[in-house]
Amino acid sequence: EIVLTQSPGTLSLSPGETASLSCRASQSVNSGYLAWYQQKPGQAPRLVIYGASARATGIPDRFSGSGSGTDFTLTISGLEPEDFAVYYCQQYSGLPWTFGQGTKVDI
Amino acid sequence: QVQLQESGPGMVKPSETLSLTCTVSGGSMRNYYWSWIRQPPGRRLEWIAYVYSSGSTNYNPSLKSRVTISIDRSRNQFSLKMTSVTAADTAVYYCASHAGYADSWGPGTLVTVSS
Repeated sequence: EIVLTQSPGTLSLSPGETASLSCRASQSVNSGYLAWYQQKPGQAPRLVIYGASARATGIPDRFSGSGSGTDFTLTISGLEPEDFAVYYCQQYSGLPWTFGQGTKVDI
Repeated sequence: QVQLQESGPGMVKPSETLSLTCTVSGGSMRNYYWSWIRQPPGRRLEWIAYVYSSGSTNYNPSLKSRVTISIDRSRNQFSLKMTSVTAADTAVYYCASHAGYADSWGPGTLVTVSS
């Protein structure tokens, strides 16, 4: 099983700043099969990035994903008020599909 | 994108069987994966199982002995059964459409295991 570890646990920032979220895998994630989700309180997760760097439908271009192998990053440039949420990474390189423990982006 | 909606009892007694159904609307179930994912309070998301539109299945090894997933394309539904539940199975259960990554999610349903 591929274990995903996200850091930091909480990121305290202000609107307009840039958030950089890390996701590290216990073994290589083949072909960049890594996704990022945004979750707000009481809501289901929402797909933000798939294939490590492709934005999902309707996701603004201030969201970008990068990385390969075991190290991946989600960057949010110019935080908007609606971006404050918890972000999870997920790998689909191998079964079982697994998620990180989440990073909270807080004001 | 399709819409998904979970349904089922909000409370289950310990040792009993949890049964949930996901109804899919706004599109076909063909050539896609359909998953159940859960999130215990304050914990990370956990993928439980998927069923492909053909009926083939795959399970998380940590739950495989207690879980069955099935699909009924004629009703645009897929279902989850989990036997011998305990308090550790208390979670919000989500159904989702998958292409490896989950691109559509239901709103989730809280299932509490309690006597």
